[in-house]
Amino acid sequence: DAGVTQSPTHLIKTRGQQVTLRCSPKSGHDTVSWYQQALGQGPQFIFQYYEEEERQRGNFPDRFSGHQFPNYSSELNVNALLLGDSALYLCASSPSLMNTEAFFGQGTRLTVV
Amino acid sequence: KNQVEQSPQSLIILEGKNCTLQCNYTVSPFSNLRWYKQDTGRGPVSLTIMTFSENTKSNGRYTATLDADTKQSSLHITASQLSDSASYICVVSRVGNTPLVFGKGTRLSVIA
Repeated sequence: DAGVTQSPTHLIKTRGQQVTLRCSPKSGHDTVSWYQQALGQGPQFIFQYYEEEERQRGNFPDRFSGHQFPNYSSELNVNALLLGDSALYLCASSPSLMNTEAFFGQGTRLTVV
Repeated sequence: KNQVEQSPQSLIILEGKNCTLQCNYTVSPFSNLRWYKQDTGRGPVSLTIMTFSENTKSNGRYTATLDADTKQSSLHITASQLSDSASYICVVSRVGNTPLVFGKGTRLSVIA
């Protein structure tokens, strides 16, 4: 049984570019959340997707957008990259919207230069 | 304000020794509390999950305690191993579909 998988594992982008990160949830999970984790900090909630809709959103600008597909996989898009967007981006899946048990992927390390 | 505070920020211990990490929270209404282990550059992995009525829960050499009255939790690691070197993050859930509240973590280094 595959856990949460994220791709790519590492990524280097130039300031101003756009990036798309991908996540496949754990089998049987239908809710996906995305987090940004700066070095030495705890994860910060970006948004949550359920039934292909954004259900909750943290304090992140509109440059951060997402999508969930019918197979429950999800994408995180970041436009107009800033140096401060460099971080580990984590995807977490849950069995359902009201079940807060979160299983995390290994993360995507994004470096903006 | 819903917050989770962890202490110490970092800790260095000798292999084989025990240690205790602390977590204080002001999250409400409280649903459950989890401790995660996060290796550098990797995603967090759940160690324990505790609900309001649970005081102690063990997972191998890891034992978590919860005092819901004082809103404090601890994670005790027994007979530490080099592989225990990681960040340990305390995460609190509120009732309902609300975002998890994360602490900043305690960075543990186990040295030989």
